Amino acid sequence: NAGVTQTPKFRVLKTGQSMTLLCAQDMNHEYMYWYRQDPGMGLRLIHYSVGEGTTAKGEVPDGYNVSRLKKQNFLLGLESAAPSQTSVYFCASSYSRIGEQYFGPGTRLTVT
Amino acid sequence: AQKVTQAQTEISVVEKEDVTLDCVYETRDTTYYLFWYKQPPSGELVFLIRRNSFDEQNEISGRYSWNFQKSTSSFNFTITASQVVDSAVYFCALSEARLDSNYQLIWGAGTKLIIKP
Repeated sequence: NAGVTQTPKFRVLKTGQSMTLLCAQDMNHEYMYWYRQDPGMGLRLIHYSVGEGTTAKGEVPDGYNVSRLKKQNFLLGLESAAPSQTSVYFCASSYSRIGEQYFGPGTRLTVT
Repeated sequence: AQKVTQAQTEISVVEKEDVTLDCVYETRDTTYYLFWYKQPPSGELVFLIRRNSFDEQNEISGRYSWNFQKSTSSFNFTITASQVVDSAVYFCALSEARLDSNYQLIWGAGTKLIIKP
């Protein structure tokens, strides 16, 4: 039982490049989330999904896109990376909208 | 508006001391949920506890205990006989139950706990 996994763990991009972060969960959770965490700050919600085929914007969605084609996977895309997107990205999943969220190990992204 | 305040940015204690991390929240809802998460230096986020607004009983799990007081809108976390492995950033979070609450967890800024040997 792997829980929530994220790939890759680290990535360095140049400004303007694109990439996709993959999140996978094996707990059959309906709800999935993407957060970013910047130094000295809490977590900020980027996008979330309440089920397969659905996505919605969170607090800081600009510059990101997401897709949830399969229940177990939630992809986060950066179309044209900017230095302001340098951050640690966490994926999480939960069994309900008020349930606890289980987090992946994070992806450290640096945009130069 | 909903808000979670962790006023203690950083706490440093010597091993075996007891330490309390404060969490104060604001919400309009009568039904809500409170959470604590731990983020050790390795970076992962670990769920510790979830408490609903109708259950004001204190919770104890080993050396960890939580004191929920609706009268003061607080959900404080105490570590008894602290250990070096307790060193981490601890986050308090709030989730509102109403259907238009946007599904967001409202996070506090975190308290960095340093346990010195």
